[in-house]
Amino acid sequence: AQSVTQLGSHVSVSEGALVLLRCNYSSSVPPYLFWYVQYPNQGLQLLLKYTTGATLVKGINGFEAEFKKSETSFHLTKPSAHMSDAAEYFCAVSANSGGYNKLIFGAGTRLAVHP
Amino acid sequence: EPEVTQTPSHQVTQMGQEVILRCVPISNHLYFYWYRQILGQKVEFLVSFYNNEISEKSEIFDDQFSVERPDGSNFTLKIRSTKLEDSAMYFCASSDEGNIQYFGAGTRLSVL
Repeated sequence: AQSVTQLGSHVSVSEGALVLLRCNYSSSVPPYLFWYVQYPNQGLQLLLKYTTGATLVKGINGFEAEFKKSETSFHLTKPSAHMSDAAEYFCAVSANSGGYNKLIFGAGTRLAVHP
Repeated sequence: EPEVTQTPSHQVTQMGQEVILRCVPISNHLYFYWYRQILGQKVEFLVSFYNNEISEKSEIFDDQFSVERPDGSNFTLKIRSTKLEDSAMYFCASSDEGNIQYFGAGTRLSVL
């Protein structure tokens, strides 16, 4: 069974400050891990993914995440927040077994960016 | 850039009516999914579809729900008799062998 826990349903940062959104996962098989972003009234956009290989993955809009197996974590970071980063962010896990696999999503973290 | 297209963007229906939500997945993808997001809640898996049959379905996906790929391009979700609690955003997604799912913009279903 797989699950995702996102710590903090709301995170608020100042423009230019570090963004850190936390995600911990549980998986009985090697996981694929994803971050998706949802802007107001829009769909889910893939921000970045970890499948295999390098544990530090870079995504769009300056975001990156590091897969830490020992900590079962996949935290999302961005060095300097922009106003346009305000959105809801979802961490998701799927089984690393090829072919189809359902995504299990966390509850989401709503990021607010203040001037 | 290829994208997943969903229609309509907003569907309003009366309780007990049938609705069909439509999706056009990315053309070379083989795996298709439906998810839903009740307002203020997490995104939940409904069903996955491969090789013209359901691969997996969640406990949410009861006999009121069905999926179909009628013509090789469209992928539809039918709710036979809608209930108030079916009101949600429904997302279609597709993936290739690489296991990366791409989502459509969603259909907001409002059951009155």
